[in-house]
Amino acid sequence: AQKITQTQPGMFVQEKEAVTLDCTYDTSDQSYGLFWYKQPSSGEMIFLIYQGSYDEQNATEGRYSLNFQKARKSANLVISASQLGDSAMYFCAMREGHGGANSKLTFGKGITLSVRP
Amino acid sequence: NAGVTQTPKFQVLKTGQSMTLQCAQDMNHEYMSWYRQDPGMGLRLIHYSVGAGITDQGEVPNGYNVSRSTTEDFPLRLLSAAPSQTSVYFCASSYSGLQPQHFGDGTRLSIL
Repeated sequence: AQKITQTQPGMFVQEKEAVTLDCTYDTSDQSYGLFWYKQPSSGEMIFLIYQGSYDEQNATEGRYSLNFQKARKSANLVISASQLGDSAMYFCAMREGHGGANSKLTFGKGITLSVRP
Repeated sequence: NAGVTQTPKFQVLKTGQSMTLQCAQDMNHEYMSWYRQDPGMGLRLIHYSVGAGITDQGEVPNGYNVSRSTTEDFPLRLLSAAPSQTSVYFCASSYSGLQPQHFGDGTRLSIL
């Protein structure tokens, strides 16, 4: 079974509107972390936002917020006020374990976001 | 701010050749890892290290070797290149496994 599932093949959003990118995960660990990364066409991986499994508040970073629903095992990324520069591939990733030798990062297959002017 | 530096950026090899992809970080990070990215597959973990002298296998380790003799460097070795290893390779580091990973710019490798 996939640990990180990103099923939206491609998303389109009008500039200045909000968009939600879906991510569901599967783990039996109580302690885990969820990350979102952005990969523009230039290829680099850019860290956007992090949510720990014990965090009670949803994480926010500027225009990015993470809609964390622990019972449903979902960690959707919300981008508000989309900009043309947000057009990119977006990856959800999960870290299981307690940060030590058992800590590994598993990525989803990614979602392509295109922002229309 | 150098961050994570990968060399080379591009490489073409013939089947059976060996080579080493270099990765260096100047942030004193303990945790380093190698991923490969293939179309439609996302990033898959090859090997990782939680500190100098300690390495472990990830999801797709076959055909690759790593070593971690210093905190700064984490080279990835292809012993006998195969066309299936054509991919984009990313090195990443973080202070610990709990922290977000910083990625290098990637190495685009083609095996003919």
